Amino acid sequence: QSVLTQPPSASGTPGQRVTISCSGSSSDIGSNTVNWYQQLPGTAPKLLIYTNNRRPSGVPDRFSGSKSGTSASLAISGLQSEDEADYYCASWDDSLNGVFGGGTKLTVL
Amino acid sequence: QVQLVESGGGVVQPGRSLRLSCAASGFSFSSYAIHWVRQAPGKGLEWVALISYDGRNKYYADSVKGRFTISRDNSKNTLYLQMNSLRAEDTAVYYCARGSYDVSGYYYVDYWGQGTLVSVSS
Repeated sequence: QSVLTQPPSASGTPGQRVTISCSGSSSDIGSNTVNWYQQLPGTAPKLLIYTNNRRPSGVPDRFSGSKSGTSASLAISGLQSEDEADYYCASWDDSLNGVFGGGTKLTVL
Repeated sequence: QVQLVESGGGVVQPGRSLRLSCAASGFSFSSYAIHWVRQAPGKGLEWVALISYDGRNKYYADSVKGRFTISRDNSKNTLYLQMNSLRAEDTAVYYCARGSYDVSGYYYVDYWGQGTLVSVSS
């Protein structure tokens, strides 16, 4: 069972806005930053959002992140078919251990 | 460009050992902490271990503590994971991943290797 809680699935139609939530506790998200990763089928995870809301170069501004208290969320606007992937939130706990969400499978209908 | 290439995976019997390697290139390896993260077939990501840039500090997930050892050779730009007393539940793709700091000093994992599959089965 994952430390951080994400919905197992999400879906939307092309052009829609979709949000994925990530819930933690005071010892992880509540006291550390949150990062988001995108994993396309059969590939390694790719950094999508770091430090709660920052985008690495090359990541479209359709992707945005936010954090409040012990929860975080990833928003994808203008949904495209190539956004169909698994999305993981990640943070750290007080022992400097990495913690992940269970992943959310995004389907573009 | 940053590259991380894992190797050493394979099929191993329960109770046996295996050593994974991660060869790094395209950046100053000795300046970065590196992680191992694994993913069981059809499952989510699980953080395994972390080693500091100089190898002095090491952190492990409870699930592998006492069985796995992370190490690095900065002269060879290579990270290792020695896995002993392997169990069926250790079956997974193992990724090495680089840790970085942003301009404000917050830490995150940026680049990942392509992974190597470890299958523990009799």
